[in-house]
Amino acid sequence: EVQLVESGGGLVQPGGSLRLSCSASGFTFSSYAMHWVRQAPGKGLEYVSAISSNGGSTYYADSVKGRFTISRDNSKNTLYLQMSSLRAEDTAVYYCVKDPAPTAMGDYFDYWGQGTLVTVSS
Amino acid sequence: EIVLTQSPDFQSVTPKEKVTITCRASQSIGSSLHWYQQKPDQSPKLLIKYASQSISGVPSRFSGSGSGTDFTLTINSLEAEDAATYYCHQSSSFPYTFGQGTKLEIK
Repeated sequence: EVQLVESGGGLVQPGGSLRLSCSASGFTFSSYAMHWVRQAPGKGLEYVSAISSNGGSTYYADSVKGRFTISRDNSKNTLYLQMSSLRAEDTAVYYCVKDPAPTAMGDYFDYWGQGTLVTVSS
Repeated sequence: EIVLTQSPDFQSVTPKEKVTITCRASQSIGSSLHWYQQKPDQSPKLLIKYASQSISGVPSRFSGSGSGTDFTLTINSLEAEDAATYYCHQSSSFPYTFGQGTKLEIK
């Protein structure tokens, strides 16, 4: 059974940093691209970032480019999102999402984690 | 950026009714359009991939159609458990984008 378990969310002050982790199990993690998608409280879904299966290709939404860094450790079956210079508008539930292919190009999202809440507030 | 516009934003429906949700893309995306269901306090769940391809384990009352810029999600014979928000998602080009969501309320 595919499982994606996010952690690392919490309350952080504007301008602060936070690192999210997503522990994956139930599939060969190193064979699939992964993504982060977020959802502000009571709002819709917003795409954040993608990383290919070997980590060689990454993509960022303009809203987080230069502030967030996606990475992965295939030996630990873990996906990361390093977030810095956080703003109030980054407040959201962050979902770890699995791609059905190695490259993050043109695919749907077949599995979602339960999400971790990040709150940016003073 | 490709903008996806769903309609309606909200619909109140009765069980056994047929429901149609549309998603219009701001430019042609071929068949790179997918549908998700999100129930309250849950993560989204994949319903339909590539506009019309069914997903194992998803009830057959859910179907999708369309290509290019106009897409439809149809729920035949709605059940109470289908109360949720439905999102379309395009993977034709980065940035991937989502529709604003359609909330279905069961009367």
